[in-house]
Amino acid sequence: AAGVIQSPRHLIKEKRETATLKCYPIPRHDTVYWYQQGPGQDPQFLISFYEKMQSDKGSIPDRFSAQQFSDYHSELNMSSLELGDSALYFCASSSRQFEKAFFGQGTRLTVV
Amino acid sequence: AQTVTQSQPEMSVQEAETVTLSCTYDTSESDYYLFWYKQPPSRQMILVIRQEAYKQQNATENRFSVNFQKAAKSFSLKISDSQLGDAAMYFCAYRTYRDDKIIFGKGTRLHILP
Repeated sequence: AAGVIQSPRHLIKEKRETATLKCYPIPRHDTVYWYQQGPGQDPQFLISFYEKMQSDKGSIPDRFSAQQFSDYHSELNMSSLELGDSALYFCASSSRQFEKAFFGQGTRLTVV
Repeated sequence: AQTVTQSQPEMSVQEAETVTLSCTYDTSESDYYLFWYKQPPSRQMILVIRQEAYKQQNATENRFSVNFQKAAKSFSLKISDSQLGDAAMYFCAYRTYRDDKIIFGKGTRLHILP
């Protein structure tokens, strides 16, 4: 069965650089979520989109932005990167009808 | 504020034995979902089991079952016949019907002893 695809799997950036993370949801899923998981931490909700519109917002820094495109894939843009942004970034998708959220394998971002 | 508490940072169980992971939550909502997610060393987040708050019957998925006590706001996970592949971090999680965000507990690291 198709799963949530995230790219890249690993990313190394320098401070103050910009990063773009991509997420391709499971086909026919209409909702995408982004989470940030720091080392040894639980995942923290950043933002979600339903039918290409932002549906909920969590602790996402102003330096970050995200959108969902017409093909339902989503991108998380992160600017002015800081060392503290180093984390595992998960994307998850679900169908509003069934509510179960399935997670991708994550993108490990390292800021040096 | 909604919170999820896992009071056991680490647990160990002998292979083939049964183990129960505890979780409590706090909410003023009446309609919500509860989940257990498994995160093995690969760091993939895998949905283990899901419970809808309006359902009194406890959810079961093969060797995994929950004990959902709505009045006590308790949602424990029982793993029967533990296997080496069950070794992972287990997160209890919650979300309301209204919101998208899933709130996670701090996790319980489960070790399986051969």
